[in-house]
This record gives sequence, C-alpha cells and structure tokens, in this order.
Amino acid sequence: EVQVVESGGGLVQPGGSLRLSCAASGFTFSSYWMFWVRQAPGKGLVWVSRINNDGSSTSYADSVKGRFTISRDNAKNTLYLQMNSLTAEDTAVYYCTNWFAWGQGTLVTVSS
Amino acid sequence: EIVLTQSPGTLSLSPGERATLSCRASQSVSSSYLAWYQQKPGQAPRLLIYGASSRATGIPDRFSGSGSGTDFTLTISRLQPEDFAVYYCQQYGPSPITFGPGTKVDLK
Repeated sequence: EVQVVESGGGLVQPGGSLRLSCAASGFTFSSYWMFWVRQAPGKGLVWVSRINNDGSSTSYADSVKGRFTISRDNAKNTLYLQMNSLTAEDTAVYYCTNWFAWGQGTLVTVSS
Repeated sequence: EIVLTQSPGTLSLSPGERATLSCRASQSVSSSYLAWYQQKPGQAPRLLIYGASSRATGIPDRFSGSGSGTDFTLTISRLQPEDFAVYYCQQYGPSPITFGPGTKVDLK
C-alpha cells in the first residue's frame, strides 16, 4: 500500500523552529520528486517546496525562501522540512506528497 | 507566476446531475502539467486527474478532464453522494507550482 505519514508538527512560538518528517512506503521513494504543500485553516492549498529524486535540486515558494529547507534521505525513505523563523502566517496543516500519494498532514501552529 | 482562477466558486447540484468545473490560467499551461484534486472536510486532497485528462489510479470514469492552453474543465458526469467536496486545479510545470482557489460542489 502506498503511504506517506507526516510527523513533527505542534505548537511553536513566533521566531521558533520545527522539523517536519515524512515517512514513505509502498513505492520507490528514490524515484520520485517530493513536495510539501500547506493549507491554512479554512483556506486553499499552497505549494511550499519541492525536491528532486536524488536531492540535488530544490525549490521554494517566495513566502518561505530563506527560512525553510527541504531535504531527503533515500536510504530511510524519509522527506524533511526544516522550518525556521516561524510566523503566525506559517500556521497550517503541512502535507507531504508526490502528487499521487498524500499523507493526512501535520498541524503547525505558530502562536505565543 | 501562473495564476489559476476557478469558476464557479460554489456549484449547488443534486445527485445524478452533471457537474462542470472550470479552471482558467493567466498564461498557457502545458497540458502535461495540469491536475485536478478532490478534498473532503478533514481529509487530505486526492488526485483525480493529471496531464489534463488522465485519470489517476482508482478514480471512477464518471470523472473526466479536458482542455488545453489556458482553459481546462473537470466534468463529473453523474454526481454521486460521495462527490460533494471541494475541487482544486493545479499547474505543476514552471515554479512556483500553483493551485486554484477551489470550487465547492454542494448539495442543492
């Protein structure tokens, strides 16, 4: 069964950091580009970042560039998102996906 | 950045009716890179259509996608009770990847 499971979300103060993880199974992880997408409460889907299959190329939305870092460990079938300098505008459910498979998301709440 | 506009914002229909959802892009999108997703409350998005017209694995054939250039359409031929949801179009060509604001299909 194709599956991705996100973890690492939670409540963090403004200016703080979090590292999200995404464990993939049921498909050849190292063959797929991977993406992070977020959804603020009651809002639409917003692309955050992408990484190519071997990790040599990354891209970010302007809203997170310089603050977020995407990475992957193909040996562990795991995708990461390091999030620094968080603001209230980063509050959202964060999804890991290869477009065909989506996790249930992990909620990040930035609040004092 | 390619901006996607979806219409209508809300579509109120009855089971068995046909739903036609529109997605318009601010500039031409390669058909290879246009997708449609379904999202129900509290759930993750589900890929329905990719490459403008290819159904993803397990998607019923009542869902179909068409279009090219700047105008794309998702059609649900006969609405089933489980189809009432929000539908998003997406272009996944040049960065930044963008989504439309969504069309809500609700029960009339």
